[in-house]
Formats: sequence, C-alpha cells, structure tokens
Amino acid sequence: DADVTQTPRNRITKTGKRIMLECSQTKGHDRMYWYRQDPGLGLRLIYYSFDVKDINKGEISDGYSVSRQAQAKFSLSLESAIPNQTALYFCATSDSSFYSNQPQHFGDGTRLSIL
Amino acid sequence: QKEVEQNSGPLSVPEGAIASLNCTYSDRGSQSFFWYRQYSGKSPELIMFIYSNGDKEDGRFTAQLNKASQYVSLLIRDSQPSDSATYLCAVIKSEKLVFGKGTKLTVNP
Repeated sequence: DADVTQTPRNRITKTGKRIMLECSQTKGHDRMYWYRQDPGLGLRLIYYSFDVKDINKGEISDGYSVSRQAQAKFSLSLESAIPNQTALYFCATSDSSFYSNQPQHFGDGTRLSIL
Repeated sequence: QKEVEQNSGPLSVPEGAIASLNCTYSDRGSQSFFWYRQYSGKSPELIMFIYSNGDKEDGRFTAQLNKASQYVSLLIRDSQPSDSATYLCAVIKSEKLVFGKGTKLTVNP
C-alpha cells in the first residue's frame, strides 16, 4: 500500500459543485501539505498543516479550504468549483521530529477537471 | 527575482552522456536543498537532498551546492532513456518547500 494515499485519483465535475479531495498517510509524519500543479506554473502550495491543530494558508488558498481530521488525514475542499481550478492536485507529508527541514513525500495525485 | 529558478529546457542529451541540471535560489539563508524527479502525469519523487557546501554522490547522481553563489546543481552520469523526466529543484524557506518550475530532460537512445 502507498504511504500517502489520495482519493479520488480522477474526478470530473461541473462548475459550482462542492468537491472534497482526501489524503491519508501511514508514514507517521506530523506535517501535511496540499499543492496544485498546472502546466508551466510548477507546484504551488495551497494549504499546509504542521500538526492537527495547525492550519496555514499557502500561496494560493482562495477558493479552497482544508480540514485536518487526524494526524494521518488532511482533506482539501473546493466549496464551489470553477473551471480554472482544473489541475493536478498533490498531497505531501514531511517529518519534523528530528530536523525541521526534512524532505516531503508525495501522494500519487488527483486529476481534477471542472467543466 | 524568483525564489527558485531553473532553466525550463528542454535539455536533450544522448544516452551515456552526463546531464547537468542547474538551479539558483534567492534566499541566502536557505539551508536545505532537494531534487525531485517527476515523470509525466506522476507525482514528484525525491532523488537527492543536500545540506552542506560541496558534492554529494548517490549512484549515478551527484548534487552540488555552492551557498556563496546560491547555486545548486544535479549531475546525472551515464544518462539513460529512463532518466527522461522533469527535474524539480526545491529549497526550504520558512519550513516550507519552494519549488522551481522544473527542467525537462530528454535522454535520446
């Protein structure tokens, strides 16, 4: 089983719909992140969480919200989806237990298309 | 100046050659540097990290860091067609990773 699991892997939906992307991890990491990736724009940070009670906005948080339900679970919601939120979304985790600058490990991604 | 800059490429090298990928960063206080490989449509995969000035070797990969010049590079020796991918440079800033836009590498058989 994958250490960082994202569901769904693919989703096609319509403008105005509410969508939730889920991420769960078995790595025991305390830090979790959501990114989106668009061609030519690279990876951009949406939200991040350093522990269950900590939620922070990233570079492009408008139109998104998150929930950290447990150390292992971090969900991303689009309250009212719009076409320019069509992108590849990645969840990532990292461990801060020994050294804060640890690398991040990514899930397989969710390809989201909004019509 | 962008925080992390990479030449977008594409960089094309013949099989067996050395591929050299370069990255510059703007925050002189950055301490940790990472290289990720990303195949088309797949997730980024960590291949190297480096914290100290100098070279770090792992198999066919060598990461080089020069903090004075704010420059980090990745060398791939004996390049293989399976190395064809986009390579992302990432730097820690305020305990978060900041990514460059990536360099697309093609290794021609």
